[in-house]
Amino acid sequence: GAGVSQSPSNKVTEKGKDVELRCDPISGHTALYWYRQSLGQGLEFLIYFQGNSAPDKSGLPSDRFSAERTGGSVSTLTIQRTQQEDSAVYLCASSLARGTTSLGDEQFFGPGTRLTVL
Amino acid sequence: DQQVKQNSPSLSVQEGRISILNCDYTNSMFDYFLWYKKYPAEGPTFLISISSIKDKNEDGRFTVFLNKSAKHLSLHIVPSQPGDSAVYFCAADKTGANNLFFGTGTRLTVIP
Repeated sequence: GAGVSQSPSNKVTEKGKDVELRCDPISGHTALYWYRQSLGQGLEFLIYFQGNSAPDKSGLPSDRFSAERTGGSVSTLTIQRTQQEDSAVYLCASSLARGTTSLGDEQFFGPGTRLTVL
Repeated sequence: DQQVKQNSPSLSVQEGRISILNCDYTNSMFDYFLWYKKYPAEGPTFLISISSIKDKNEDGRFTVFLNKSAKHLSLHIVPSQPGDSAVYFCAADKTGANNLFFGTGTRLTVIP
């Protein structure tokens, strides 16, 4: 498939453990985004990558959250010492670049990873 | 601080009737608005958008209306079909932003 893929689709972990969430963007897409959807909330922006660099980390909720992207492709979102409030669906999206029209017209989302912290 | 709001968490409509989903925003710098549709276990998919220089955009059964003075937009689906049952997210964009700003979503159920 040519879409954005994410793994795992579901992750259950115990409070205090570290988790890694993976995103494989569409081939050739230079921009990659992580969002989080908590229960009853909209999609909350976490971080944006252009290539391998992250010019905008403003949405990361705490220093327990980090992300990296290697080779301009795969990205990993890491949550250390997970807390129950981290339980959410984590969505990744990619786009070719920040175009002249709206960002959203070009943004393709993966199916998400549902994280449950017990 | 929720800059994009969808105050109706759910909506039920009879098949064939019109569905109207509403969205309000607070940031006057937003210059582009979008609707996404999300099925369970799938990511959101882009549905329709509108630039702030317009007040209406139509695409088949879907029409988005924008009222800038009221900072309000709505999505009309007519006629509604059972396959339209999904969660609909309103989103806003502003020039130079690196991310979209999403509402909390409205779950639409179209009853056959």
